[in-house]
Amino acid sequence: EAQVTQNPRYLITVTGKKLTVTCSQNMNHEYMSWYRQDPGLGLRQIYYSMNVEVTDKGDVPEGYKVSRKEKRNFPLILESPSPNQTSLYFCASSWDGSSYNEQFFGPGTRLTVL
Amino acid sequence: SQQGEEDPQALSIQEGENATMNCSYKTSINNLQWYRQNSGRGLVHLILIRSNEREKHSGRLRVTLDTSKKSSSLLITASRAADTASYFCATALSMNYGGSQGNLIFGKGTKLSVKP
Repeated sequence: EAQVTQNPRYLITVTGKKLTVTCSQNMNHEYMSWYRQDPGLGLRQIYYSMNVEVTDKGDVPEGYKVSRKEKRNFPLILESPSPNQTSLYFCASSWDGSSYNEQFFGPGTRLTVL
Repeated sequence: SQQGEEDPQALSIQEGENATMNCSYKTSINNLQWYRQNSGRGLVHLILIRSNEREKHSGRLRVTLDTSKKSSSLLITASRAADTASYFCATALSMNYGGSQGNLIFGKGTKLSVKP
């Protein structure tokens, strides 16, 4: 089944403890992206990747890192999480970097930073 | 940067009625897409309308685009309880207006509740 998977789905952590949220897609998509969703703010893009080894900042990249060593994986790294990073995170992918492609979303990761 | 704004923020209707949601945006776009999100879950793509199209249909969905008014509407006909969800418009900015390939800017969504 074509899908985007994220792990973990739920995570409660403490300030400063490094964490990684994994994202994997099995559709051979070139484009991948991370969003965070907060009440009243909608979805905001954190980072995106047009292809392997090509990443770029979205609208809210501060406090996050990403890497794209393989086409299928696009992990989101929080080196020193803070409470303001408590949010619902979504990974998405699309066929290529064309804006005419639909994006496929993962199920989301609900992160709480205490 | 918030490009698209949906209206209304929330909508409550009875099963069988039509639901209309609107989206307004600020700058020139390549296309506009609508997504659905069931509570707390991932977004699902519904329909894409290109900047040179005025109307598009998909099943019970009808999308219009008015580039002169910078607005779009999503109509769901004969709504069902299963249509209860949040609906988001997402715009792909024209490259001339700072758009990056592949990047979509999402609005804050319209929360639709369809009562049986």
